[in-house]
Amino acid sequence: DIQMTQSPSTLSASVGDRVTITCRASQSIGSWLAWHQQKPGKAPNLLIYKASNLKSGVPSRFSGSGSGTEFTLTISSLQPDDSATYFCQQYGSDLLTFGGGTKVEIK
Amino acid sequence: QVQLVQSGAEVKKPGASVKVSCKASGYTFTSYTMHWVRQAPGQRFEWMGRINTGNGNTKYSEKFQGRVTITRDTSASTAYMELSSLTSEDTAAYYCVRSDCGGDCYLLWHWGQGTLVTVSA
Repeated sequence: DIQMTQSPSTLSASVGDRVTITCRASQSIGSWLAWHQQKPGKAPNLLIYKASNLKSGVPSRFSGSGSGTEFTLTISSLQPDDSATYFCQQYGSDLLTFGGGTKVEIK
Repeated sequence: QVQLVQSGAEVKKPGASVKVSCKASGYTFTSYTMHWVRQAPGQRFEWMGRINTGNGNTKYSEKFQGRVTITRDTSASTAYMELSSLTSEDTAAYYCVRSDCGGDCYLLWHWGQGTLVTVSA
């Protein structure tokens, strides 16, 4: 199985801050990586797919980069509505695996 | 708009089975693969399996092989996930998730609202 290691597990930042979350795969997955956002008590929502493609309707302050084994999700200017847990998901193999999640809190 | 509406919360005894439904609307049901994913309390998400809603072909995670069955009813635009021989470790939120295409498609594009399954004696 491909292991996904996400960091940090939690972060606290102020409105307007630039926030970066990292996801590492235990082996190369090319660009087959997605980022999802989950708010408490809600279903997750896809934000980014194929490492850097923004899903339609997702604010442009979200961006993704990386390939191979190292990936990042960046929120360019943190907004109050961005308080949520973010997790990565690889689909480079037919056994999907997930990162442990990053809880983003607003100071 | 795409909607996936799952059945309600379930409480089951150890050893029992549970069947969760996922009714799709807003798109052509048979054109997109459906996945099932779960998240136990405090744990990361786990992929359970998927079904090609067009031809009914399934693929399961080895972890759940033999215990999980994913089916679909095309006339009702509904997918089902049945998990048997439940233990307390199966207490989790279960999600159906539509992929972005049909066939061997593994991008999780749109999530259902989740169904909480509690296994308790």
